[in-house]
Amino acid sequence: AQSVTQPDIHITVSEGASLELRCNYSYGATPYLFWYVQSPGQGLQLLLKYFSGDTLVQGIKGFEAEFKRSQSSFNLRKPSVHWSDAAEYFCAVGLTGNQFYFGTGTSLTVIP
Amino acid sequence: KAGVTQTPRYLIKTRGQQVTLSCSPISGHRSVSWYQQTPGQGLQFLFEYFSETQRNKGNFPGRFSGRQFSNSRSEMNVSTLELGDSALYLCASSFGSGGPHEQYFGPGTRLTVT
Repeated sequence: AQSVTQPDIHITVSEGASLELRCNYSYGATPYLFWYVQSPGQGLQLLLKYFSGDTLVQGIKGFEAEFKRSQSSFNLRKPSVHWSDAAEYFCAVGLTGNQFYFGTGTSLTVIP
Repeated sequence: KAGVTQTPRYLIKTRGQQVTLSCSPISGHRSVSWYQQTPGQGLQFLFEYFSETQRNKGNFPGRFSGRQFSNSRSEMNVSTLELGDSALYLCASSFGSGGPHEQYFGPGTRLTVT
């Protein structure tokens, strides 16, 4: 069965520090992978997606993610975090027919 | 282009009642998906509609149902509400028949069951 695991429930980083959010997936075929961000009181916004090709994908707001098939991982990174990045981050596997499996999310706190 | 809209934004219902939530997708989008978001479970897929047909369904009881109209607007219905149905219900729309396509999410409907 498909599943997505985000092992870190909550992460705290200092503003300006680097960030890595972990995501592991379980899926039989080549996965379509997504990262979404949810700010308080808001819906989810797509940060980036991986379908195929280059395993390092760039997204909005300076985020990037690397697909590693051997580790079944799709970790999200940002070299320098801004206070406005504080939010909930969700990793997801997408299937045909727009059926998505989401991880339980990682809550990011940014301290000045 | 207007985004995905959901009505109402907040709802309080009593156990045993039923509720209907509405979602208007982005113009031109024909796929609408529904998710239940709770603090412990994260986002869980309820179902997806494309061109008025349910294509996929998540692992939820039959109390949860939905439909899509010819203008792609969708409704979700929950009958015989239980306390555990309290959640944020998110609707997402996307363009295209195959998928997976980027989902555009609405702000959600916060349902509280007392």
